[in-house]
Amino acid sequence: SQQGEEDPQALSIQEGENATMNCSYKTSINNLQWYRQNSGRGLVHLILIRSNEREKHSGRLRVTLDTSKKSSSLLITASRAADTASYFCATVRSLFNAGGTSYGKLTFGQGTILTVHP
Amino acid sequence: NAGVTQTPKFQVLKTGQSMTLQCAQDMNHEYMSWYRQDPGMGLRLIHYSVGAGITDQGEVPNGYNVSRSTTEDFPLRLLSAAPSQTSVYFCASSLRGPLYTGELFFGEGSRLTVL
Repeated sequence: SQQGEEDPQALSIQEGENATMNCSYKTSINNLQWYRQNSGRGLVHLILIRSNEREKHSGRLRVTLDTSKKSSSLLITASRAADTASYFCATVRSLFNAGGTSYGKLTFGQGTILTVHP
Repeated sequence: NAGVTQTPKFQVLKTGQSMTLQCAQDMNHEYMSWYRQDPGMGLRLIHYSVGAGITDQGEVPNGYNVSRSTTEDFPLRLLSAAPSQTSVYFCASSLRGPLYTGELFFGEGSRLTVL
């Protein structure tokens, strides 16, 4: 089952506007990551926030994490047409393998399709 | 830097055929994984490996086989292809896995159609 649920499923904005995407999850996590996927391409890591952090910034990206509500948001400020892509949140929790070691299980949400109109 | 390289990019199979999707990384990453991406379902983990000789199952392992004989390579084998395996497959690697080093590096994907 999917750990992360994203909202909205699709978002259409004009260049220069801000875009906010939300992610909710069900179980406790170690960290939460956001990825971007351009059409027909692989995913690219954007930002990681750990469970003991509340906010992180990277360039035009701002991520918040509320562990009490089990939710995160990704804000892209001053959006550009080149930001058009699908955005996925991914949660990481400890998952021990047969050898008794945990490398973490990364589970993706279904994604938000962002379209930025020039 | 090549990063994560997947081959082939496109493949059409008939039901019952077998094939191997290749994945190679040149970053000396311990952790490698295979995901499949289906419309409306995000990405689901098939198998992962935490080092040469060590593999484990993910969420949807049935119908797939993996091995890790070297640090660089992590092939995914479809033993007897079924139409339900029509999907886009992604290989991803990480230095020490999503728990410790976080970021996964993805290949460009392999689009598989099973008729």
